[in-house]
Amino acid sequence: SQQGEEDPQALSIQEGENATMNCSYKTSINNLQWYRQNSGRGLVHLILIRSNEREKHSGRLRVTLDTSKKSSSLLITASRAADTASYFCATRGPSNTGKLIFGQGTTLQVKP
Amino acid sequence: DGGITQSPKYLFRKEGQNVTLSCEQNLNHDAMYWYRQDPGQGLRLIYYSQIVNDFQKGDIAEGYSVSREKKESFPLTVTSAQKNPTAFYLCASSSNPQGRYTDTQYFGPGTRLTVL
Repeated sequence: SQQGEEDPQALSIQEGENATMNCSYKTSINNLQWYRQNSGRGLVHLILIRSNEREKHSGRLRVTLDTSKKSSSLLITASRAADTASYFCATRGPSNTGKLIFGQGTTLQVKP
Repeated sequence: DGGITQSPKYLFRKEGQNVTLSCEQNLNHDAMYWYRQDPGQGLRLIYYSQIVNDFQKGDIAEGYSVSREKKESFPLTVTSAQKNPTAFYLCASSSNPQGRYTDTQYFGPGTRLTVL
């Protein structure tokens, strides 16, 4: 079962613009993570936000979490062509299994 | 170099054959996971293992089998019972999921399996 739903499914912007991706989930979480996947490759962890946090920054990435709305957003500022990839949110539930539930992803294209 | 490796990168299978995908990690991680990814889709969990000699079914375990005889290795066998095995398979590992508040997963490069 996939908990996360991401919006938009695809996003195309010009280099230098900001990109915003949204993720919604259904049940209570321990934390929410964002991952990046270049075409045909494995996923790379970008940033993790805990359920008691509201905002987190890492370089050009900004993540927000609204547990009352069960939603999160990932903002990439000053995008570069190298940011072209698919981005997935993943939620970890409260149980001690380490299991993550992934959304279907947003495909981002940054045009030079 | 610490990391997680998968082999082969590409695998072709004839219908009715079993094939085994390799996943090895030298990160000293306790937990390992297998995911399946179909085109344009997110990841779905096949099996996971929290410690050696123990593993649990994920959301789509039918037609797959695993073993965890060593901490470093978590091979996945795609059996002939899996009716639609063509997909991209990703292995991941994480450090001690029990009670860890900041758990993240580290992924291998993936194996693309195609049924001929």
